[in-house]
Amino acid sequence: GNSVTQMEGPVTLSEEAFLTINCTYTATGYPSLFWYVQYPGEGLQLLLKATKADDKGSNKGFEATYRKETTSFHLEKGSVQVSDSAVYFCALSGTGTASKLTFGTGTRLQVTL
Amino acid sequence: EAGVAQSPRYKIIEKRQSVAFWCNPISGHATLYWYQQILGQGPKLLIQFQNNGVVDDSQLPKDRFSAERLKGVDSTLKIQPAKLEDSAVYLCASTLGTGGIIYNEQFFGPGTRLTVL
Repeated sequence: GNSVTQMEGPVTLSEEAFLTINCTYTATGYPSLFWYVQYPGEGLQLLLKATKADDKGSNKGFEATYRKETTSFHLEKGSVQVSDSAVYFCALSGTGTASKLTFGTGTRLQVTL
Repeated sequence: EAGVAQSPRYKIIEKRQSVAFWCNPISGHATLYWYQQILGQGPKLLIQFQNNGVVDDSQLPKDRFSAERLKGVDSTLKIQPAKLEDSAVYLCASTLGTGGIIYNEQFFGPGTRLTVL
């Protein structure tokens, strides 16, 4: 079956530091890949997505590239802010407009001044 | 556009009691999902509806969990009787679910945090 493995947290960084959160996946076929973010006290929000190999998803300064050869979708940001403190989830879905999402365990990011 | 609505936001019950959660998806969204998110884990799909039909309930503990979406709009998830390990956040999500192979974004509600004592 499908599965997602992401690096354990918490990750603690100083403001303006570079962020990488690793994510690898196992799936049959050609899944779509996602990063969701959960801010304290709020629901899950889609941060970015990529639907085919070599696609780069980007949003709010975050980026992730769909690497089929390494089955990875690592999240990066060049300069984090305190407001980026949240839990980040890597996820995948199978082919189809309404496929379910399979999530990783989440990585908590704490950014300090 | 209104988002996915869920109620209640918080619920505390004793084990062996019953509880029900309600979800109203975004208007026009054909597909509705219920996920369970245990503390420290990612959400796990419990059940998926397409209109008022069940698409996937393979991870739903059917001896105690039930869900319905009678008119293809809002949905109710019930637990009867609850166990300690059911303590979690229950998330509802919806998507357009139209035809084709391009993924439609799932929109999540704020969740219901259940504590079973």
